[in-house]
Amino acid sequence: GENVEQHPSTLSVQEGDSAVIKCTYSDSASNYFPWYKQELGKRPQLIIDIRSNVGEKKDQRIAVTLNKTAKHFSLHITETQPEDSAVYFCAASRNAGGTSYGKLTFGQGTILTVHP
Amino acid sequence: GAVVSQHPSWVICKSGTSVKIECRSLDFQATTMFWYRQFPKQSLMLMATSNEGSKATYEQGVEKDKFLINHASLTLSTLTVTSAHPEDSSFYICSAMRTSGPRELFFGEGSRLTVL
Repeated sequence: GENVEQHPSTLSVQEGDSAVIKCTYSDSASNYFPWYKQELGKRPQLIIDIRSNVGEKKDQRIAVTLNKTAKHFSLHITETQPEDSAVYFCAASRNAGGTSYGKLTFGQGTILTVHP
Repeated sequence: GAVVSQHPSWVICKSGTSVKIECRSLDFQATTMFWYRQFPKQSLMLMATSNEGSKATYEQGVEKDKFLINHASLTLSTLTVTSAHPEDSSFYICSAMRTSGPRELFFGEGSRLTVL
């Protein structure tokens, strides 16, 4: 089955700095890669996603890059703000567009702390 | 956006009792729903895929007789933790995928189970 590794486990930055979180996956058939932000005791919130036919996607301060050959993808947050502090999870699944793409394998999570 | 509701949001029960958690898609139909479990400070682990009108598909290592899943309608899936023990204490989160239209995935708010 799929295995997703996420690094670092904790990340501390100053407000205004950039934050980068990296994930690798093992299943070359995976083709959908979402990133979630989760606050304590809350549901995961989708912040950005990318499909395997695209190498990069950007949404305001958030961007994701995907290297299919190396089987890794990264989340980039620029101009970080204290409200960005949360746990971030990467995930991977197969069959983007089909029913099984909801079957997500999550990374271990990164605790991001943005200091004012 | 679409809403997925879970009930109860938290529950405390005695060891040996059974607890039922409901996952409802409030404004869309969901043929497929997914159940995840998240232990404190850990990632989300897929437990099973719930399919309307058929048996659930369980992930390796998840006891199907202990975690009963029923998906009797296109808007409701239930997870019953039978003969709960303290080690079953966890955050249980469901997600639901639209049956028609864009293949979007929505998470419920989660249910915190504490077994005494």
